[in-house]
Amino acid sequence: GQQVMQIPQYQHVQEGEDFTTYCNSSTTLSNIQWYKQRPGGHPVFLIQLVKSGEVKKQKRLTFQFGEAKKNSSLHITATQTTDVGTYFCAGFTLQGAQKLVFGQGTRLTINP
Amino acid sequence: NAGVTQTPKFRVLKTGQSMTLLCAQDMNHEYMYWYRQDPGMGLRLIHYSVGEGTTAKGEVPDGYNVSRLKKQNFLLGLESAAPSQTSVYFCASRRDIGSSPLHFGNGTRLTVT
Repeated sequence: GQQVMQIPQYQHVQEGEDFTTYCNSSTTLSNIQWYKQRPGGHPVFLIQLVKSGEVKKQKRLTFQFGEAKKNSSLHITATQTTDVGTYFCAGFTLQGAQKLVFGQGTRLTINP
Repeated sequence: NAGVTQTPKFRVLKTGQSMTLLCAQDMNHEYMYWYRQDPGMGLRLIHYSVGEGTTAKGEVPDGYNVSRLKKQNFLLGLESAAPSQTSVYFCASRRDIGSSPLHFGNGTRLTVT
């Protein structure tokens, strides 16, 4: 079945440092979504990427979708303590548009 | 507008006991999902439903059953709980238009001893 791999599993940074998490799918995706889960909370939708090579920005967050639509990345510039949490990528396949397959997530912790 | 509501929030079961987790959404969403979250394994899809009266298996359906008798409710049942089912369970829903995002409930923390 489809697999979505996400690395790294954990990342600890000093406040102000940058952070990147990578997502790779075993199959071509129709689109990819990113979610953030704060400690003790539930996943919350951040953004969706649809087009090959698409880049979207939300303030200090930059999201990219690969040309082959098999990989994606989330980059946070100058992390702040409010960025703490687990970031998940999730993809819809071309065949199964009804279910979303999640990566394992990257847990980000920040030293203030 | 409550969104997606899960009950209960916490539950402790003994091996072999049964229980039902309830998910209710007030957004008139067609699609509903049950995920379990375990450390290092992300969110794994248990079962999902694309409309009232329909259900389908996800990645890890064994040991669970579901029902969607009403559009707004999606029930997850454990007939005979096992310690391996200790997890945090999330329900989610979304519109049936394109690749609409998931709206999650606050989760149910289940411990099976």
